[in-house]
Amino acid sequence: GNSVTQMEGPVTLSEEAFLTINCTYTATGYPSLFWYVQYPGEGLQLLLKATKADDKGSNKGFEATYRKETTSFHLEKGSVQVSDSAVYFCALSGGNQGGKLIFGQGTELSVKP
Amino acid sequence: GAVVSQHPSWVICKSGTSVKIECRSLDFQATTMFWYRQFPKQSLMLMATSNEGSKATYEQGVEKDKFLINHASLTLSTLTVTSAHPEDSSFYICSARGGWTSSGVSYNEQFFGPGTRLTVL
Repeated sequence: GNSVTQMEGPVTLSEEAFLTINCTYTATGYPSLFWYVQYPGEGLQLLLKATKADDKGSNKGFEATYRKETTSFHLEKGSVQVSDSAVYFCALSGGNQGGKLIFGQGTELSVKP
Repeated sequence: GAVVSQHPSWVICKSGTSVKIECRSLDFQATTMFWYRQFPKQSLMLMATSNEGSKATYEQGVEKDKFLINHASLTLSTLTVTSAHPEDSSFYICSARGGWTSSGVSYNEQFFGPGTRLTVL
């Protein structure tokens, strides 16, 4: 079945450091891919998405490219801020899943001043 | 647009009582709503999928008699945790998908509520 695997956290970075959070997936067909962010005590917010191969999603300085050949959707940001501290979830939605989202286990990011 | 609210945001109850959590799509009609459960420092676990006017579809291992879901309208779904016990304590999150806004915009992605923290004593 469909699945998502993320790099384990927590990830601790200094402010202005470069961020990469790896995400790989297994899916049949052509899924859509998402990154969600969850701030402490809150629900999930969509950060960015890509719906087909080679698409690049971007938002708030974060980027991720849908790589079908490597089944990956790694999240990157060139210069993180303390306010980026949160848990990041990679997810996929496949056409044969009735719109269900399959989430990775989440990666906690902590950015220190 | 595409705002989803949950009520209450947190609730504490005694063991054996029932608790109802509401999920509302505020500015669009949600044909489908999803209920998730999240344990501390863990991912979201899908509990059930709810389509307006029909019975919810529960994921394997989720007790349908324990977690009652009602999707009576295109803007409201409720999750009732019946005879709650301490092991039911968790963060419950809903999401809503589909339909059209009043301005005619179609949404196919899921929009998440802020979550409800349930603590059963």
